[in-house]
Amino acid sequence: QQQVKQSPQSLIVQKGGISIINCAYENTAFDYFPWYQQFPGKGPALLIAIRPDVSEKKEGRFTISFNKSAKQFSLHIMDSQPGDSATYFCAASYNTNAGKSTFGDGTTLTVKP
Amino acid sequence: DTAVSQTPKYLVTQMGNDKSIKCEQNLGHDTMYWYKQDSKKFLKIMFSYNNKELIINETVPNRFSPKSPDKAHLNLHINSLELGDSAVYFCASSQDRGSGAPNTQYFGPGTRLTVL
Repeated sequence: QQQVKQSPQSLIVQKGGISIINCAYENTAFDYFPWYQQFPGKGPALLIAIRPDVSEKKEGRFTISFNKSAKQFSLHIMDSQPGDSATYFCAASYNTNAGKSTFGDGTTLTVKP
Repeated sequence: DTAVSQTPKYLVTQMGNDKSIKCEQNLGHDTMYWYKQDSKKFLKIMFSYNNKELIINETVPNRFSPKSPDKAHLNLHINSLELGDSAVYFCASSQDRGSGAPNTQYFGPGTRLTVL
């Protein structure tokens, strides 16, 4: 049972365009929704995260939009740059001491110059 | 001042061998994890330890045995390596959720295991 579904699997965007990656979750107990960015040969690193008590969080060119009723959240990258080319993972976790995170399958973003 | 470190970065070995990967974190976190990332880049949790105790053990063959000598270290030993074990293995750590901190995972640089 996949608890976090991510789409698309891959995305190609022109420089300056908007990249949008979507995730849907099933478990309403999830209370923390981070996005991770992974460059080739590196480990994933936290990019931006949101809690379900807000509908949007913005950090620079990166924005998370959160729809609690639809159980969906998305990452928007404005003015996409070639340096944004990476694999992006959404994740979800809930408040237990185990702290297990459930990851989406990842989206490979390519930003063309 | 690396936060989460793993050794080795690359590991090439023959089928049937036994190998270990070491992980250390200097973030003061209570929880550590092992993840497997396959060729399709899917990231799957294998194990989680909290204060040296195993708390998550996903469906992983018992050829894989994690060991946590202290809360800053989590090692992974793999017996009788198989071709399908080839992947990138990531160690990660996070702060104890009981502290109220968000469950942000801090990943190491990964160990690329190739089984021939």
